[in-house]
Amino acid sequence: NAGVTQTPKFQVLKTGQSMTLQCAQDMNHEYMSWYRQDPGMGLRLIHYSVGAGITDQGEVPNGYNVSRSTTEDFPLRLLSAAPSQTSVYFCASSYLQGALHFGNGTRLTVT
Amino acid sequence: DQQVKQNSPSLSVQEGRISILNCDYTNSMFDYFLWYKKYPAEGPTFLISISSIKDKNEDGRFTVFLNKSAKHLSLHIVPSQPGDSAVYFCASGSGGYQKVTFGTGTKLQVIP
Repeated sequence: NAGVTQTPKFQVLKTGQSMTLQCAQDMNHEYMSWYRQDPGMGLRLIHYSVGAGITDQGEVPNGYNVSRSTTEDFPLRLLSAAPSQTSVYFCASSYLQGALHFGNGTRLTVT
Repeated sequence: DQQVKQNSPSLSVQEGRISILNCDYTNSMFDYFLWYKKYPAEGPTFLISISSIKDKNEDGRFTVFLNKSAKHLSLHIVPSQPGDSAVYFCASGSGGYQKVTFGTGTKLQVIP
């Protein structure tokens, strides 16, 4: 039972490049979400999904896209990376009435 | 506008003593509160939660207290152990567990 798996663990991008952060869970959780963690800011919600085909914006959605075509996967897309998107990204999942289970994060640097 | 505040960035405690981590919130609509623990290079892990209808919840060495009138909650760890050294995040939400709002975290160091 792998839980929440995030890939890659580390990534360096140049400004303007695009990439997709992958997230997969094997717990059949309905709810999945993406957070970013920045120094002094805690964890801030980017986007979330309450089931396949359903997504919504969180607190800091600008510059990011998501889709949820299956229960298991919830990729996060950066369309045109900016230095302000340098951060650690965490994917999480849960049952709709359960506490979040987090992956181990992706550390992204945009130069 | 920080709805969940952890005003102490760090805390050092001797092994065996009590660790008290504090959290304040501003949103009266929050109806559940959680604590997460995070080790370096890992994701946060759920520790303990409390509903707004309770004022105390215990789980082993961990107890969470909620003071709704003061919009304040605290996590007590007794006795503290070196393995408790981590960053602790307070989190709050309303309705389902979606859109949970996190505090900025408190780094706890338990000194052997």
